[in-house]
Amino acid sequence: AQTVTQSQPEMSVQEAETVTLSCTYDTSESDYYLFWYKQPPSRQMILVIRQEAYKQQNATENRFSVNFQKAAKSFSLKISDSQLGDAAMYFCALYGGATNKLIFGTGTLLAVQP
Amino acid sequence: SAVISQKPSRDICQRGTSLTIQCQVDSQVTMMFWYRQQPGQSLTLIATANQGSEATYESGFVIDKFPISRPNLTFSTLTVSNMSPEDSSIYLCSVTGTSYEQYFGPGTRLTVT
Repeated sequence: AQTVTQSQPEMSVQEAETVTLSCTYDTSESDYYLFWYKQPPSRQMILVIRQEAYKQQNATENRFSVNFQKAAKSFSLKISDSQLGDAAMYFCALYGGATNKLIFGTGTLLAVQP
Repeated sequence: SAVISQKPSRDICQRGTSLTIQCQVDSQVTMMFWYRQQPGQSLTLIATANQGSEATYESGFVIDKFPISRPNLTFSTLTVSNMSPEDSSIYLCSVTGTSYEQYFGPGTRLTVT
């Protein structure tokens, strides 16, 4: 079975600072993909960043980057230069080719303090 | 990325009634997914809808309660039947992109009184 665990229900960061959201996962598949999604109060699910498991290089999208530790099954999200608009619920998600499903973690609610 | 719309965006319904939620995609897609997000919770997959075949339901979800239609490659509907207050949730549809990411509609917020 595939699982995704987010151990931080809530996080807070000062504007312009850096914050890291944690995610661990478990899968028996060798071919899988990892994602971070953002859900602001508008409830629209927005794809933030993706990581292919076969790639060693950590994905980066502007101020968002990941620390992908395959052996440890860890996939953390780093947000640099935090902005007020980054305040949202963040979900870590795992896709496995054999199951063809996207499994979500429980989410981390990020508050950005001005 | 796909552009997905959902109707209605929100509704308040009475116990025992049914609501049909529509999902429209701006391109042809093989699979569409329906999720439920209960208040303060994560997303739970209800079913996968392939065009031309019966939807595949996840454990805990049944066709009688959540019938799904998929008449063509750009459209799907989810019906929430015989509603109870426990069905109050956000319902989202999604489609798969080129790298197995999923793109989501804006969601339908359902409140059952």
